[in-house]
Amino acid sequence: NAGVTQTPKFQVLKTGQSMTLQCAQDMNHNSMYWYRQDPGMGLRLIYYSASEGTTDKGEVPNGYNVSRLNKREFSLRLESAAPSQTSVYFCASSESVTVNTEAFFGQGTRLTVV
Amino acid sequence: DAKTTQPTSMDCAEGRAANLPCNHSTISGNEYVYWYRQIHSQGPQYIIHGLKNNETNEMASLIITEDRKSSTLILPHATLRDTAVYYCIVRAWGVISNFGNEKLTFGTGTRLTIIP
Repeated sequence: NAGVTQTPKFQVLKTGQSMTLQCAQDMNHNSMYWYRQDPGMGLRLIYYSASEGTTDKGEVPNGYNVSRLNKREFSLRLESAAPSQTSVYFCASSESVTVNTEAFFGQGTRLTVV
Repeated sequence: DAKTTQPTSMDCAEGRAANLPCNHSTISGNEYVYWYRQIHSQGPQYIIHGLKNNETNEMASLIITEDRKSSTLILPHATLRDTAVYYCIVRAWGVISNFGNEKLTFGTGTRLTIIP
């Protein structure tokens, strides 16, 4: 069972470059999330998608855009990367706002912006 | 979502029960208590959740006080593999029209170290 799959696992960018982090889930979940985690800190929510066709800002959305491409896929885009965006990025999914269940996380993308 | 307060770090001897506290004094009636853990460099892993009754599964037990303002996660026989950061989260369910309930907000968690 794949669960939540993130690509790439590692990435180094130069300041000003753009890139898209990909996330896909195979559990037919309605909701998906993007988090970042800086060293020694908890996870902070960047954006989330309650259901296909909707996206909303989380705690730290500046510098990012997202696309809920379909029910399976939720991508995170950095248009002009900055060193402050060096972090580990986690994607997650959960079933539904009306169903009491847990969220499943991917293994993370380690991004370094130089 | 209600905020939570957890100790920054704790140690526990291998084989003993690890008791991790969490305060959530502003929890509201439709908010559940969730626990996740994150082992070094991996994605967070779900452990357990509950509303007001105590819960137990193959990983842990969750004790929620009667007033629901605090809870304790219990790992009954801690092993070295339980060394991780443990997050206590409160999250609302069941309100279809409020997409704000979809957010799963993490705090800084408790770093639990199991000592051989």
